[in-house]
Amino acid sequence: GIQVEQSPPDLILQEGANSTLRCNFSDSVNNLQWFHQNPWGQLINLFYIPSGTKQNGRLSATTVATERYSLLYISSSQTTDSGVYFCAVMDSNYQLIWGAGTKLIIKP
Amino acid sequence: SQTIHQWPATLVQPVGSPLSLECTVEGTSNPNLYWYRQAAGRGLQLLFYSVGIGQISSEVPQNLSASRPQDRQFILSSKKLLLSDSGFYLCAWSTTLGTEAFFGQGTRLTVV
Repeated sequence: GIQVEQSPPDLILQEGANSTLRCNFSDSVNNLQWFHQNPWGQLINLFYIPSGTKQNGRLSATTVATERYSLLYISSSQTTDSGVYFCAVMDSNYQLIWGAGTKLIIKP
Repeated sequence: SQTIHQWPATLVQPVGSPLSLECTVEGTSNPNLYWYRQAAGRGLQLLFYSVGIGQISSEVPQNLSASRPQDRQFILSSKKLLLSDSGFYLCAWSTTLGTEAFFGQGTRLTVV
């Protein structure tokens, strides 16, 4: 099956810093999503981005489907950005395959 | 707009007791429905998915079962809980065309 790898596994930054999170996947996928899991466990949809580039405020994402990777950019980090960021891809059976996540800690 | 409801938010159950977690979706028809479990600090593991009423696919052998009695209702059950069933359970839905998936708030289950 499809393998999804996220890097880095952990990231600690000062407030105001920028960061790039990476998601590599091993095969063609139907879609790709980025989620933020907050400290209460809620999975918040960030981007649905099977290809191309999208921006939403301080966050943006780029997926290069032909090269099987996606990047999530966070600019001017805030403490509320802390949490775990997951990349998930949907395979041909409409099942989400998840990366292990990147745990982000933003220090004030 | 579509919404997904999952309850309860937290649950503490003794070993050997039954379990019933419910998930309902509003604002869409014939969704794909999913149950996931997340162990502490780790990624999500798909437990069950359903593409229609009465159609359940299981991804891993376990002590749990799932049912879909109505189009927008998905239930996760167990007859006798084990300590290893503790975890964070998340329900999700997507359209049958495999577009964006949306998650409920999750249920934190502790088996004691």
